Amino acid sequence: DAGVIQSPRHEVTEMGQEVTLRCKPISGHNSLFWYRQTMMRGLELLIYFNNNVPIDDSGMPEDRFSAKMPNASFSTLKIQPSEPRDSAVYFCASSLSGGEQETQYFGPGTRLLVL
Amino acid sequence: AQSVTQLGSHVSVSEGALVLLRCNYSSSVPPYLFWYVQYPNQGLQLLLKYTTGATLVKGINGFEAEFKKSETSFHLTKPSAHMSDAAEYFCAVIRNSGNTPLVFGKGTRLSVIA
Repeated sequence: DAGVIQSPRHEVTEMGQEVTLRCKPISGHNSLFWYRQTMMRGLELLIYFNNNVPIDDSGMPEDRFSAKMPNASFSTLKIQPSEPRDSAVYFCASSLSGGEQETQYFGPGTRLLVL
Repeated sequence: AQSVTQLGSHVSVSEGALVLLRCNYSSSVPPYLFWYVQYPNQGLQLLLKYTTGATLVKGINGFEAEFKKSETSFHLTKPSAHMSDAAEYFCAVIRNSGNTPLVFGKGTRLSVIA
């Protein structure tokens, strides 16, 4: 299995621009999580989906952030407009209900720099 | 609500020495506990996990952890450190059983000195 795939791996953009991060979960997994990692705040959950439905988005910083999961194999995290404080590494993770249901598998992350 | 406290943001050991990374948790229900490792510029990789059953859990790369309910701890150990063990280690607890998010500790950076 290819594991969780994220793109792009690196993104440099200017303040005010729209940024879209993409995630392909492991095939067959039915839960997907978006996390953000910074030096100051560590790993934070932004939002998670079960069976493509958003369950908890209380970690989304503000209205500039939005996430979608149109189908079981694809999710996006969008920031519009982006700000320098959004600079971080964004991770996507997926897991399977039943079997190893509590094991989350992480993608390599997208390193975002907003200038 | 679940929470995790990792004692020591940075631990330094000599190559060949014992590695001990501390993790204490707080949970209102029986917890599922995890250790993840993050190498520089990479994602998080599962080292080991405890869900039910045997309280001593063995993971990859020679690491193991013991779930101690009386101490609310899940410390990570390795008998002999290797240079390749240098990384950031995260302890995590599941918020509730099922497909729910992990609650992470702040992480402990392990340095291994030759």
